[in-house]
Amino acid sequence: GAGVSQSPSNKVTEKGKDVELRCDPISGHTALYWYRQRLGQGLEFLIYFQGNSAPDKSGLPSDRFSAERTGESVSTLTIQRTQQEDSAVYLCASSPDVQGANEKLFFGSGTQLSVL
Amino acid sequence: GQNIDQPTEMTATEGAIVQINCTYQTSGFNGLFWYQQHAGEAPTFLSYNVLDGLEEKGRFSSFLSRSKGYSYLLLKELQMKDSASYLCAVRDWNYQLIWGAGTKLIIKP
Repeated sequence: GAGVSQSPSNKVTEKGKDVELRCDPISGHTALYWYRQRLGQGLEFLIYFQGNSAPDKSGLPSDRFSAERTGESVSTLTIQRTQQEDSAVYLCASSPDVQGANEKLFFGSGTQLSVL
Repeated sequence: GQNIDQPTEMTATEGAIVQINCTYQTSGFNGLFWYQQHAGEAPTFLSYNVLDGLEEKGRFSSFLSRSKGYSYLLLKELQMKDSASYLCAVRDWNYQLIWGAGTKLIIKP
């Protein structure tokens, strides 16, 4: 596709359930980021994938959070045993080359997660 | 620790000029970005600075002083559609992006 695609756009779940969020980056982009954004707040880094390198998981808030990426393609963010504090918008972004001179991020529209 | 500071909220009048400041303390520096985020939408790229000085792009300009750890985004001839949050982000020594909390800009007629 032309841009970064995320699905679902909205997800309502019950506390304790697992959820899986999907991100399709722009074709050819080697770098992929997941961010969390709570209402009225800035971007909170979660995890970053760069090509075939080991992902940077330093932003994952707990072991309930995990993410995978298939090659330089689709990524899924999984939240197990969801809690109410997990409610937020989850944004995915991709970039052609993280160490390029000025490589900007292209963001998806996000998944609004609501945990009841 | 690494830190990006921006004002939380600013108000300006349609047709006027507004300057949004960003100060940073990071481990190394490999460029500074400004993004615009309208309510309920994803951030979109506005500007990039890696050398000191002013980068102008239409109504928007961005300035950087690396020695002062300081940047600003200047918006001229403000329009109602400029009402949004403006996010400052710095790339550190390891090319990781450090994000500010964003500045909510409110434009009044």
